[in-house]
Amino acid sequence: EVQLVEAGGGVVQPGGSLRLSCAASGFSIDDYVLHWVRQVPGKGLEWVSLINWDGDNTNYADSVKGRFTISRDKRRNSMFLQMNTLRSEDSGVYYCARAVGNLYSLDYWGQGALVTVSS
Amino acid sequence: DIQMTQSPSSLSASVGDRVTITCRASQGIRNDLGWYQQKPGKAPKRLIYAASTLQSGVPSRFSGSGSETEFTLTINSLQPEDFATYFCLQHNTYPYTFGQGTKLEI
Repeated sequence: EVQLVEAGGGVVQPGGSLRLSCAASGFSIDDYVLHWVRQVPGKGLEWVSLINWDGDNTNYADSVKGRFTISRDKRRNSMFLQMNTLRSEDSGVYYCARAVGNLYSLDYWGQGALVTVSS
Repeated sequence: DIQMTQSPSSLSASVGDRVTITCRASQGIRNDLGWYQQKPGKAPKRLIYAASTLQSGVPSRFSGSGSETEFTLTINSLQPEDFATYFCLQHNTYPYTFGQGTKLEI
């Protein structure tokens, strides 16, 4: 069974950092492009970042570029999102999802990790 | 960025009804669109991909149509478990963008 499980969410002060993880099971992340998507109450869904099969190609939304870093660990079959210089507008539920290729639909999603940036 | 305009934002219906949800893209996206169902606290679930292809395991009462700039999700004969939020996602161009969501309520 395909599963994606996010972890690492929590409450952090503005300017702080947080590292999210996404553990995959039921498939090898080597075969998929992995994405982060966030959902802000009242503002809908926003695509955040992606990383390709071997980690050489990454892409970020303008709103997080220079502050967030996506990575993957083949041995742990996991993906990560290092979030620095957090702002209140970064608050929301962060989902990881997978796609079979570049510019393909997201077929499976995790249940999300809640990030709250507040003083 | 491609803007996805989804309507309606909310919809009241009854079991057995047929409902239609629309997404309009600000520019042509071929058929690079998916429809998803989301229930509170749960992972979004893909229902339709490539605008009109039913995801394996999804009931046939769900259907999708459209191309380029106009897309619809139709649910025939609503069942109690269908009351949820639905959203579209375009994956033609980065950044991927989403419709605002439609909350389907009894």
